Parts: sequence; structure tokens; C-alpha cells
Amino acid sequence: GAVVSQHPSRVICKSGTSVKIECRSLDFQATTMFWYRQFPKQSLMLMATSNEGSKATYEQGVEKDKFLINHASLTLSTLTVTSAHPEDSSFYICSAPRFPNTGELFFGEGSRLTVL
Amino acid sequence: AQSVTQPDIHITVSEGASLELRCNYSYGATPYLFWYVQSPGQGLQLLLKYFSGDTLVQGIKGFEAEFKRSQSSFNLRKPSVHWSDAAEYFCAVALLSGNTPLVFGKGTRLSVIA
Repeated sequence: GAVVSQHPSRVICKSGTSVKIECRSLDFQATTMFWYRQFPKQSLMLMATSNEGSKATYEQGVEKDKFLINHASLTLSTLTVTSAHPEDSSFYICSAPRFPNTGELFFGEGSRLTVL
Repeated sequence: AQSVTQPDIHITVSEGASLELRCNYSYGATPYLFWYVQSPGQGLQLLLKYFSGDTLVQGIKGFEAEFKRSQSSFNLRKPSVHWSDAAEYFCAVALLSGNTPLVFGKGTRLSVIA
């Protein structure tokens, strides 16, 4: 079956540093990937849509200069949290639809970011 | 805009008892419908999905869900709950076509007592 892999699964960083999270589709090509954020005891909220070869589209209220998304290939999207602060501590999950699109999204394992 | 409502924030059931988790959606057409489960600190696991056809959908771990168009509902059921079912459950919807993201409900936390 389709697999989406995220790395790292956990990361702890100091305030002011940048952190990169990778999302890979392992056995299919993904022209689109979605990045979600989940705060403790809350639901998943869509942050942005990553499009291969073009700029990402961000949801309202998400700072595009803070959450840099790069989708440089058909199997890899990266989310970089720049100048991280404690309020950025969250669970970040990526997902990708299989092409041809069947409506089902495959989710990565998630990356837990803790900013000290 | 499409939305998903899970009216129950927290449900507690006894082990062996039956379970029903409610989900209602608001959308102009019938979207794709999903139920996911998330254990603490873990990612999401797909329990089942509905795209079309038979409105009673069977999933993994003994779960099933029934799509009721007239009620815009997609409730999740399990006839006999096991202690390992304790987790957070999310209902989600997606548009019928295109590369569209899922919209999630706020989740229902299930606790199982002996």
C-alpha cells in the first residue's frame, strides 16, 4: 500500500532556531501534499498545500515566511519552521493523495516539535 | 464552507459494551467520508472510508460506519469495545474530486473502563 514517511518523528530545538521536517511519498508520486498542525488535545488544522514545482498555498492565519514549504520533487515536500518559538510547539502531519486521485489521503507518522 | 461536527468531545464506555460515535457534515454534495483513530502521541490510522455504493461500510478492528444522506451523518459503530480502543477518533470529509485536503472534526476521545 501507499506509504508516506515523515522525518524526524520528534525534534527539540531552542527558541530562535529553524527546524526542517521532511515528508516523503515512498511508493507513489505526489504532486500535492498537505501539511497539518495539531495542538495538544485539538483537531488537525490544515496549514498549507504544497505543490510540486510551484509555490505553496497557505491557509488564512498561517505565516508563509515562518513556515517555509518546498516541494522540489514528486516524492518530497519539506516544511521549515523558521525562528521557532515555544508557541510553534505542535504535532505536524503531512499527507498526500495518490495519483490518480482516489479521494483518499495517506498520512505520515507526524513530527512532534518542541521549542524550548 | 464544508464542516464536520463531532458533537461528543468525550465518551466513556465499559469494555464489551457497544459504541457509537456521531459525525455530521455540512456540504452541498456528498463528500468522501472518513474515520481515523489516533492513539496518544501517534499519527493517524484510517479505520474506514465511504466513497459511494453500500452505505454501511466495514472497517478495520471491527468498526463499521453508516452513511445517511438524509441526516448528513456518518456515525461510527462497534458492537463490543475493547480496552485497546481507547483513543481519539476523528471524522473527516473531502471533496469528491481533485486533490483536496481533508477537513477534520474536532475529535471524540474514547475512554474504556473495565
